[in-house]
Amino acid sequence: GNSVTQMEGPVTLSEEAFLTINCTYTATGYPSLFWYVQYPGEGLQLLLKATKADDKGSNKGFEATYRKETTSFHLEKGSVQVSDSAVYFCALLLYNFNKFYFGSGTKLNVKP
Amino acid sequence: DAGITQSPRHKVTETGTPVTLRCHQTENHRYMYWYRQDPGHGLRLIHYSYGVKDTDKGEVSDGYSVSRSKTEDFLLTLESATSSQTSVYFCAITRAGGPTDTQYFGPGTRLTVL
Repeated sequence: GNSVTQMEGPVTLSEEAFLTINCTYTATGYPSLFWYVQYPGEGLQLLLKATKADDKGSNKGFEATYRKETTSFHLEKGSVQVSDSAVYFCALLLYNFNKFYFGSGTKLNVKP
Repeated sequence: DAGITQSPRHKVTETGTPVTLRCHQTENHRYMYWYRQDPGHGLRLIHYSYGVKDTDKGEVSDGYSVSRSKTEDFLLTLESATSSQTSVYFCAITRAGGPTDTQYFGPGTRLTVL
């Protein structure tokens, strides 16, 4: 089947710390991969995406590399800020079926 | 901003009553989706639509029905609400088919079934 597995949270970091949120996937086809972010009381917003192996998505200092050999798409940021506190979702798209599959989300808390 | 609105934004209802949630988009996108978000489960797909009057079930469709009579509106109906349907409901659209497609979400509807 198709699924996305993310590390459980919450993840608590101090400001300026390095962030990694792990994401691995299982897919019957060749997916595109996404990270979404959800701030309190809001819907999900696209953070970054990658559509083929070895592609690196990046946005707002966040990065993730599509690793086909390890079926992973880990999210990283070199120096987190308090404003990065949110829930982060990894997702995959099987575009031939136009279906998205989401992980369960990882809550990030960044302390001043 | 993908021009997606949801109504109502908050609703409290009683067990056994029917409830309809509305998703409205302004950009004539073909694909529309309804998800529910619950702690520990992330987002789970309820139903989706790939055109007017064309809908299909997602992974948690029991107890829900949908209708799409116009491109811009996708309605989710709980025929007889139960407490297990207390959740936050998100509507989403995709802008184009293909591997570069991206899903865009509405602001959500918080539903409480007492």
